[in-house]
Amino acid sequence: GAVVSQHPSWVICKSGTSVKIECRSLDFQATTMFWYRQFPKQSLMLMATSNEGSKATYEQGVEKDKFLINHASLTLSTLTVTSAHPEDSSFYICSAKRQGGGYSNQPQHFGDGTRLSIL
Amino acid sequence: DAKTTQPTSMDCAEGRAANLPCNHSTISGNEYVYWYRQIHSQGPQYIIHGLKNNETNEMASLIITEDRKSSTLILPHATLRDTAVYYCIVSRRDTNAGKSTFGDGTTLTVKP
Repeated sequence: GAVVSQHPSWVICKSGTSVKIECRSLDFQATTMFWYRQFPKQSLMLMATSNEGSKATYEQGVEKDKFLINHASLTLSTLTVTSAHPEDSSFYICSAKRQGGGYSNQPQHFGDGTRLSIL
Repeated sequence: DAKTTQPTSMDCAEGRAANLPCNHSTISGNEYVYWYRQIHSQGPQYIIHGLKNNETNEMASLIITEDRKSSTLILPHATLRDTAVYYCIVSRRDTNAGKSTFGDGTTLTVKP
C-alpha cells in the first residue's frame, strides 16, 4: 500500500527555535499534501493544503508566516514552525493523496506524525 | 464537505463484530465516504471508502444506505488491537482538492 514517511518522529527544542518537519510520499507522486495538528484528546485540525509548485492554502486562523510550507517536488512537502513557542507544542501530521489519472477518489495516506515539544 | 455525526464511544467484546455507525445526511452526489482510524499516538490509518455500493476489504466492510445519508463500518471479528478512534469522513472526489475535515470520531474499546 501507499506509504507516507514523516520525519522527525519527535523533537524537543528551545523557545524561539525554528523546526522543520518533512513529509515524503515513498511510492507515489502527490501533487497535494495536507498538514494537520492535533492537541491531546482532540481531533485532527487541518492547517493547510500543500500544492506542488505553488503556494499553500491555509485554513482560517492559521498564520502563514508562522507555519511555512514548501512543496518543492511531487514527493516532498515540508512544514517549518518558525520561532516556535510552548503553545506550538503539538502533534503534527501530514498526509498525501495519490492524484491524477483516475485516482480522484483515492484515500489520504498519513504519516506517523511528529510530536513537537517546545521548552 | 458534508458534516458527519458519530457516537462518542462504543465497546465491543473481543471476537465479536463491531458495528460503527455514521450519519452524513447532507452528503452530495460527488462525495465519497471514507473511514480512518487512529491508534493512540500514531497517524490515522485508512480503512475503507465507498460511494454508494457496499464495499469489503481485508480489514472491514462498509455498508451505505440506499439514500446515502448514513453508513456503518463493520469490523467482523474485533481484536484488542482494533481499539482506536474511528473517523468517518465525507469528501469530494476532486483531483485537486479532497481535503478532509475530521470530526471527533468514535472511540472503540475492544474488551477481552
